[in-house]
Amino acid sequence: KNQVEQSPQSLIILEGKNCTLQCNYTVSPFSNLRWYKQDTGRGPVSLTIMTFSENTKSNGRYTATLDADTKQSSLHITASQLSDSASYICVVSSSGTYKYIFGTGTRLKVLA
Amino acid sequence: EPEVTQTPSHQVTQMGQEVILRCVPISNHLYFYWYRQILGQKVEFLVSFYNNEISEKSEIFDDQFSVERPDGSNFTLKIRSTKLEDSAMYFCASSEAPGPNQPQHFGDGTRLSIL
Repeated sequence: KNQVEQSPQSLIILEGKNCTLQCNYTVSPFSNLRWYKQDTGRGPVSLTIMTFSENTKSNGRYTATLDADTKQSSLHITASQLSDSASYICVVSSSGTYKYIFGTGTRLKVLA
Repeated sequence: EPEVTQTPSHQVTQMGQEVILRCVPISNHLYFYWYRQILGQKVEFLVSFYNNEISEKSEIFDDQFSVERPDGSNFTLKIRSTKLEDSAMYFCASSEAPGPNQPQHFGDGTRLSIL
């Protein structure tokens, strides 16, 4: 069954600190993996996208990695800001389908 | 930047009633999607739509659900006889082209509460 699992479920860090969020997937055949940020009460907004051949992608303070062999991805946030408080969702696409397969998300809280 | 807009932001409906959720996709996009997110759970795919036809649907999208593009701008999700378990956040998304490599842009959702 195609699944996307994320850890931790929630995370609290102090402003200015770094953090890393994890994603494991069993989606096959794999097409690409995206990280989305979802603010409370808003729709998901894309941060990064990686295909099978890419193993790292950066977007400002966000850096995503992908290990297609172990089917794992991580999202590293550098020098966190209060506005980084949100849910971060790992989303995997499979070849031959239009749908996204969402993970359960990690709720990040950044404290001053 | 162009956005997907959804209305209403919150809909409260009595169980058994019909409800229509509305979405205005990004203007040059041709592929449209509905997802739902039950409180505390992951976002789940419902349906994709192109050229006035459903291109893919999940097992959640049963006979009580229907989608329509009634004019050149709106994309709607109708739930015929709502049940308590239909209470969720419903997200509309659109993409310029089909396929897993095409980015889907999401609206801010409609929170549907069934009483």
